[in-house]
Amino acid sequence: GNSVTQMEGPVTLSEEAFLTINCTYTATGYPSLFWYVQYPGEGLQLLLKATKADDKGSNKGFEATYRKETTSFHLEKGSVQVSDSAVYFCALRTGGGNKLTFGTGTQLKVEL
Amino acid sequence: GAGVSQSPSNKVTEKGKDVELRCDPISGHTALYWYRQSLGQGLEFLIYFQGNSAPDKSGLPSDRFSAERTGGSVSTLTIQRTQQEDSAVYLCASNAGGEVNEKLFFGSGTQLSVL
Repeated sequence: GNSVTQMEGPVTLSEEAFLTINCTYTATGYPSLFWYVQYPGEGLQLLLKATKADDKGSNKGFEATYRKETTSFHLEKGSVQVSDSAVYFCALRTGGGNKLTFGTGTQLKVEL
Repeated sequence: GAGVSQSPSNKVTEKGKDVELRCDPISGHTALYWYRQSLGQGLEFLIYFQGNSAPDKSGLPSDRFSAERTGGSVSTLTIQRTQQEDSAVYLCASNAGGEVNEKLFFGSGTQLSVL
């Protein structure tokens, strides 16, 4: 079946540090890949997505590249801010439905 | 409304009691999802409604769980004879259902605690 594995948190960084949150997946077929973010007190919201191999999703300075050969979709940002503190979820979708399979989430804390 | 609304935001119940959780999706959204987020776990898919089609119930963990969507809008998730392992955050999400990879709009969830 489908599954998503994320690095465990919490990840604590200083402001302006480089961020990587690892995500790998197992799926039948060719999944679409997503990163969702949950800011404190808010609902999850889509951060970025990539629908085929080698696509790069980007938004708000975050990027992730769909790597079919390593079945990965790592999230990166060159310089994090305190406002990026949140929980980040990697997810995938396969087949004809809209059901998403999520990872466990990684909490990011950015300090001054 | 402006977003997906869930109620109550917190629910504490005793083991063996029934609970109902409510979700008001964004107006006009035909697709509605329920997920469960347990401590240390990912978001677990429970059930999916799309328009007038039969719901995808493949994620419901037991027959104690059921969900309805009346009039294609509001949805109620019912858990009968609650158990302590049902304690989790129950999330509702919706979208217009028009595109395959369309983003989901999530509510803030209902925190369920079974004592």
